[in-house]
Amino acid sequence: DGGITQSPKYLFRKEGQNVTLSCEQNLNHDAMYWYRQDPGQGLRLIYYSQIVNDFQKGDIAEGYSVSREKKESFPLTVTSAQKNPTAFYLCASSMGTGGFDEKLFFGSGTQLSVL
Amino acid sequence: SQELEQSPQSLIVQEGKNLTINCTSSKTLYGLYWYKQKYGEGLIFLMMLQKGGEEKSHEKITAKLDEKKQQSSLHITASQPSHAGIYLCGADSKRTSNYQLIWGAGTKLIIKP
Repeated sequence: DGGITQSPKYLFRKEGQNVTLSCEQNLNHDAMYWYRQDPGQGLRLIYYSQIVNDFQKGDIAEGYSVSREKKESFPLTVTSAQKNPTAFYLCASSMGTGGFDEKLFFGSGTQLSVL
Repeated sequence: SQELEQSPQSLIVQEGKNLTINCTSSKTLYGLYWYKQKYGEGLIFLMMLQKGGEEKSHEKITAKLDEKKQQSSLHITASQPSHAGIYLCGADSKRTSNYQLIWGAGTKLIIKP
């Protein structure tokens, strides 16, 4: 079955450590996205990519980095510069390059916590 | 910038009862998405509304877009335990791209058996 796979489900980060969240899709979608979800707040866009080898900053990109070397993969690195990384991270994809009428398909999320 | 406010923040409903969730925008709503999220899981697409006055239904869920009120409502008829979860709305005031979507904080729905 086609879908988006995020791993791990739970991740713990130590002070000064970089951690990488995995996101893989087999939907053959062009666009991929990373969102951060905090309790009581709406989703906030971290980065998005409309095509391989290209990505754009979202609203809260500071302290995060991404790569898009393959169409099906869009890993997110939470760097030590992100001082408040505890949140639920959601990866999504859409068929085209991000038009409003392209519905988003979401992975099941990664909960990142700080030790 | 556009803001979306969802009401109520949480809702406990007896199984079999009807309920309505609202999503109100600070700017004109030209299009809006409704998604459902199980706790600790990803979002599942419910419906997309693209013009004022539009109404869509899927099984027992109906969504409407009231452009004048800058509001969308999600109505569930004869609620079931499977309807429990968090309902989120997402919109872009210019309806140009989904990477410019602004999201509401969600409405948590609990169904009492």
